[in-house]
Amino acid sequence: KNEVEQSPQNLTAQEGEFITINCSYSVGISALHWLQQHPGGGIVSLFMLSSGKKKHGRLIATINIQEKHSSLHITASHPRDSAVYICAVVGDKIIFGKGTRLHILP
Amino acid sequence: EPEVTQTPSHQVTQMGQEVILRCVPISNHLYFYWYRQILGQKVEFLVSFYNNEISEKSEIFDDQFSVERPDGSNFTLKIRSTKLEDSAMYFCASNLGLGLGSQHFGDGTRLSIL
Repeated sequence: KNEVEQSPQNLTAQEGEFITINCSYSVGISALHWLQQHPGGGIVSLFMLSSGKKKHGRLIATINIQEKHSSLHITASHPRDSAVYICAVVGDKIIFGKGTRLHILP
Repeated sequence: EPEVTQTPSHQVTQMGQEVILRCVPISNHLYFYWYRQILGQKVEFLVSFYNNEISEKSEIFDDQFSVERPDGSNFTLKIRSTKLEDSAMYFCASNLGLGLGSQHFGDGTRLSIL
C-alpha cells in the first residue's frame, strides 16, 4: 500500500469550477507539502502545512492531522491551473504522492 | 527573482558511461537536494547536502551516485556507470533551511540512457 495516496488521479473541469484534490497518508509526519508540476516538468512549491489551513490567492490548503488527510482547493479555476498537483509528506523521510493531473477546459 | 538553474536540459548518454548533471542553486541557500522522476512515476528523493557533506540519502542513492559542490556555486550529481533504469528527469532544489518547505526547484534535466 502506498504511504501517500492522492485522489483523483485525473481531473478535468470547466473554467470557473471549484476544484478539490485530496491527499491521505499513513505515516507520522512533521509537515505536508503541495507542489505544482507544470506541463514542461518544472516543479513549484505551493504550500507547507503542519496544521490548519493556508491560503494563497485562489489556492487553499487544509490539513487534518488526526485523520491524516489534506486537501488542496482551487477557487475560480482557470486553464492556466492545468498541471499535476503533488502531495509530499515529511516524516522520517520525504515521500511523494503520484500526483493528480488537472485539466481545466476554457 | 533568483532561481535554480540546471544544465543541460536534456542529456543523452550511452549505457555504462558516466554522466554529470549540473545545478546552480540560489546563491544564499544552504541546503541542496536532488530528486528524480522516472517517466510516468512519482518524484523520488535522492539526496540532501549541507555544509559540504551529505545530510540524508535514500535507498536509491547507491554507490553509483555521488554529489559534489566543487566551487561554491555549482552542485553536481554524478552517475558513474549509467544503466537504462537511470533514465529519468532529475530535479535539483535548494533552500535556506532543512526540509521540503520553501524549496526552490530547477526545471530539471531529462536524462536518457541508450
